[in-house]
Amino acid sequence: LAKTTQPISMDSYEGQEVNITCSHNNIATNDYITWYQQFPSQGPRFIIQGYKTKVTNEVASLFIPADRKSSTLSLPRVSLSDTAVYYCLVGDVIKAAGNKLTFGGGTRVLVKP
Amino acid sequence: GAVVSQHPSWVICKSGTSVKIECRSLDFQATTMFWYRQFPKQSLMLMATSNEGSKATYEQGVEKDKFLINHASLTLSTLTVTSAHPEDSSFYICSARVMRGNNEQFFGPGTRLTVL
Repeated sequence: LAKTTQPISMDSYEGQEVNITCSHNNIATNDYITWYQQFPSQGPRFIIQGYKTKVTNEVASLFIPADRKSSTLSLPRVSLSDTAVYYCLVGDVIKAAGNKLTFGGGTRVLVKP
Repeated sequence: GAVVSQHPSWVICKSGTSVKIECRSLDFQATTMFWYRQFPKQSLMLMATSNEGSKATYEQGVEKDKFLINHASLTLSTLTVTSAHPEDSSFYICSARVMRGNNEQFFGPGTRLTVL
């Protein structure tokens, strides 16, 4: 499974856009990029997943350059409730073996009023 | 959407006792469930992969005789921490894989285990 590197923490303010970049230099051809959000004492929650270019849903956008060696999660206009740890994972979610998710350190995002 | 529950949400036990944690997929069937452990301020660490009707696959360094996993049905997996000790105190999280689409995993809310 491809190893990921993320910033340990980021601070932001309400209403700002937060961008978290994840490096995954040895991503494999079949690997997808998935981001999860985790609040304290809760299980992770799926945010977004992508393979290439740009993916957008109701909560976030995911930008993936052509070489796929990195990806950026963008959270628009964050609120205090977006304070959480965000994990970037890469893996082949289609094959059984690749569905074993490996969590890296994550990025602790603190949104201030 | 797919919902995964865990029971209990928290448990406090004495050292030397065994504790069972249940993981259920409420509205879907899951042939594969995963068990994670998370210590404070740390990331999730995969402990084992639970397969319905077969033995669990444990990650390196995880004692299979201490962390007993049973996946007796397509909607239930259990993790039993045997002879628990204070160092086993942690947040235990399960996830279940949906058998369709992109095989997405859905996580349970976690179980906080405190061993006195």
